[in-house]
Amino acid sequence: EPEVTQTPSHQVTQMGQEVILRCVPISNHLYFYWYRQILGQKVEFLVSFYNNEISEKSEIFDDQFSVERPDGSNFTLKIRSTKLEDSAMYFCASSEAAGYGYTFGSGTRLTVV
Amino acid sequence: DQQVKQNSPSLSVQEGRISILNCDYTNSMFDYFLWYKKYPAEGPTFLISISSIKDKNEDGRFTVFLNKSAKHLSLHIVPSQPGDSAVYFCAASGYSTLTFGKGTMLLVSP
Repeated sequence: EPEVTQTPSHQVTQMGQEVILRCVPISNHLYFYWYRQILGQKVEFLVSFYNNEISEKSEIFDDQFSVERPDGSNFTLKIRSTKLEDSAMYFCASSEAAGYGYTFGSGTRLTVV
Repeated sequence: DQQVKQNSPSLSVQEGRISILNCDYTNSMFDYFLWYKKYPAEGPTFLISISSIKDKNEDGRFTVFLNKSAKHLSLHIVPSQPGDSAVYFCAASGYSTLTFGKGTMLLVSP
């Protein structure tokens, strides 16, 4: 069964540093997503990506965030200057069609100190 | 290997009837199970959960049943309402990560 792979599983970074979270979606999927879950809170939508551009983004996804599909396989989330409140579990997901059939990765736990 | 499986990608139900969403898991180390509901462009919203020491948990119209021997859980929504139309994710927790199923799209028609 194909999987969505996220690396690293845990990243610790200093406040103000740039961090890149990596995801390898399922190869025949066309839609890609990032979500995050701050400890004890709900899973929040960040951004969706289709056809090499952002299709939707939430209020959380401000200028500090960017996404990229640098090659045919990776889908990255960059946080330019991390803040303490960016500490969360970040989930990548991909789907073959818009809106359903999601496959989630196992998440990257980001800790900003 | 997909550890949490939702084999029905979609389900259609009439308003007022029961919706039953199913989920199977393979990892016996999972000890906590959750159901999430998701609308487009939003993150999954927590609905209801169940610990592996229980076989049923009820919250209003939502009931989750857990059959540990079969590694199966189900979400019952009674009565179903059009506002329940969404994608429903089953998720399982073992250590620190949450493993999601692919989701089932529920459509409740008036």
